[in-house]
Amino acid sequence: NAGVTQTPKFQVLKTGQSMTLQCAQDMNHNSMYWYRQDPGMGLRLIYYSASEGTTDKGEVPNGYNVSRLNKREFSLRLESAAPSQTSVYFCASTQDSYNQPQHFGDGTRLSIL
Amino acid sequence: DQQVKQNSPSLSVQEGRISILNCDYTNSMFDYFLWYKKYPAEGPTFLISISSIKDKNEDGRFTVFLNKSAKHLSLHIVPSQPGDSAVYFCAAYGGTSYGKLTFGQGTILTVHP
Repeated sequence: NAGVTQTPKFQVLKTGQSMTLQCAQDMNHNSMYWYRQDPGMGLRLIYYSASEGTTDKGEVPNGYNVSRLNKREFSLRLESAAPSQTSVYFCASTQDSYNQPQHFGDGTRLSIL
Repeated sequence: DQQVKQNSPSLSVQEGRISILNCDYTNSMFDYFLWYKKYPAEGPTFLISISSIKDKNEDGRFTVFLNKSAKHLSLHIVPSQPGDSAVYFCAAYGGTSYGKLTFGQGTILTVHP
């Protein structure tokens, strides 16, 4: 009954450090997404992967990279963390990227000092 | 450019009364709309959706109304319960961003016993 699992749940980084946020889903979904949530901004799409082997930029991709490792896993990497990347990061998945509800993990709370 | 807007940051309602959460959108190409509910320290969970070919969809205590001419949708919760206290996000699929969900900023609903 895991659904979408994100690790870690919390992380504190120093400016300039790198980090990879992990996401895995066990629902055999084709499409996966990374969002960030900031106060008063809703959720904004960083990157998404419509299917295994493909990735594409969302609304706010600068400073991030992604890897769709296999059908289950989609990771988000910060190469050189900046204070502006302090946020809550959510991973989501859906069977098909067209008009299907997305299922979300519980988020990673990332603070960059 | 905020294509999906929730203009009320918060809403307070008495238990047993109706809660009405509103959402406006600007992109006439949006064709599928969803409402998500989010508790603190958890990811958003899908609540209810509506296709642009309909003007109403009902699921138990939750009803979503869509007014395409006004580019407006609303979520009605009747009767409201204290457990409904959460942040509610509306979101939309469609337009030029195929497969990408666009979220509103969210509305904090508080239901008082």
